[in-house]
Amino acid sequence: VQLVESGGALVKPGGSLRLSCVASGFVFDTYAMTWVRQAPGKGLEWVSLISGGSDSAYYADSVEGRFTLVRDSAKKTVYLQMNDLRADDTATYYCARVSQELVRLGYFDPWGQGTQVTVSS
Amino acid sequence: AIQLTQSPSSLSASVGDRVTVTCRASQAISSALAWYQHKPGRAPRLLIYDASLLESGVPSRFSGSGSGTEFTLTISSLQPEDFATYYCQHFDSFPLAFAGGTKVEIK
Repeated sequence: VQLVESGGALVKPGGSLRLSCVASGFVFDTYAMTWVRQAPGKGLEWVSLISGGSDSAYYADSVEGRFTLVRDSAKKTVYLQMNDLRADDTATYYCARVSQELVRLGYFDPWGQGTQVTVSS
Repeated sequence: AIQLTQSPSSLSASVGDRVTVTCRASQAISSALAWYQHKPGRAPRLLIYDASLLESGVPSRFSGSGSGTEFTLTISSLQPEDFATYYCQHFDSFPLAFAGGTKVEIK
């Protein structure tokens, strides 16, 4: 089981970025997927989760209305579209799988290695 | 939204010490709690799920207990590789959340 994130970059405030997370080694469609971030010197913060069937996505208040999480079953990939980026979105973004099949509310395992997003002028 | 509060935020301990970290939820969450270990530059690692169940491959010196609003993570005999930051996370309802973390440092 492996998750590989990509797409992190340096972007200006107000800009957009799309992160990708490619999954392998498990039946992608039956697991919810999530993003968690860690700002410099701060703790882990849950960002967003999408159910296995793509019928529902959930967001932290801090990103609601600016971030959109979607998944592509054929590519076994989840995408986090981040718009109107702010300096406090600067963080390492981790992709993770909800550990249990067919549930939305759960704990996370495994995790990817993370991708760095820096929002600065 | 359910909030989690972890204490202490940091601690210094020696190899062989027994270490206990507490996580409190702002409302009852049954046993919908997990614990993670996180080291700089690495992916977080699941240690405990459903408040007290040990993830496969995690050493038995790690244990979790509690239900409702108060939970504990215990390391029975701290090893050199255990120096890290530990987080609890609830999965009772959306929005999901992590607590602020406990950094375990070498005394």
